[in-house]
Amino acid sequence: DAKTTQPNSMESNEEEPVHLPCNHSTISGTDYIHWYRQLPSQGPEYVIHGLTSNVNNRMASLAIAEDRKSSTLILHRATLRDAAVYYCILSNPGSARQLTFGSGTQLTVLP
Amino acid sequence: KAGVTQTPRYLIKTRGQQVTLSCSPISGHRSVSWYQQTPGQGLQFLFEYFSETQRNKGNFPGRFSGRQFSNSRSEMNVSTLELGDSALYLCASSADTNQPQHFGDGTRLSIL
Repeated sequence: DAKTTQPNSMESNEEEPVHLPCNHSTISGTDYIHWYRQLPSQGPEYVIHGLTSNVNNRMASLAIAEDRKSSTLILHRATLRDAAVYYCILSNPGSARQLTFGSGTQLTVLP
Repeated sequence: KAGVTQTPRYLIKTRGQQVTLSCSPISGHRSVSWYQQTPGQGLQFLFEYFSETQRNKGNFPGRFSGRQFSNSRSEMNVSTLELGDSALYLCASSADTNQPQHFGDGTRLSIL
């Protein structure tokens, strides 16, 4: 499975945008990029996913580099409830439900 | 729409016992996957069921098994429990290939 690299931790101020980076230099052409987050004492929560084009939904935006070797999850206005571990995961159609989680990025939001 | 429901939320067992965990997926979802989460190993894939058949299996010993019923509900069984089986067990369901997985809040299993 192609691996992803994320910073261990990041900090943001409340109501400011947050850009969470992810490197996936060995991504294959059929790999989708998924983002999940996990709040304390909860299961992971789906945030967004994409293949090649940038994606937006009510929670966040996903910016994918043209060569697809990196991506950035954008939270437009961080709130205290966004404090969580964010996971960037690659998933291909052959093993779409066998998600391989790395250690993720612990996001701290400061009031 | 109800989310993924896992029962029980907490469970305490002793070494050598066996345990069964239950997962009810989101209505209409036919795929159910199970994961183990520990502080040391993180989130690791156990297995996935689709239409009552195991489709994928992670790298866990045969003491870990599962099944899926015709209504898509799934159970996971762990036999001959070991201290290292203490973990949060998560279940996730999805509707189709490359659709996102929706996780339950897990069963916290503690082995004494």
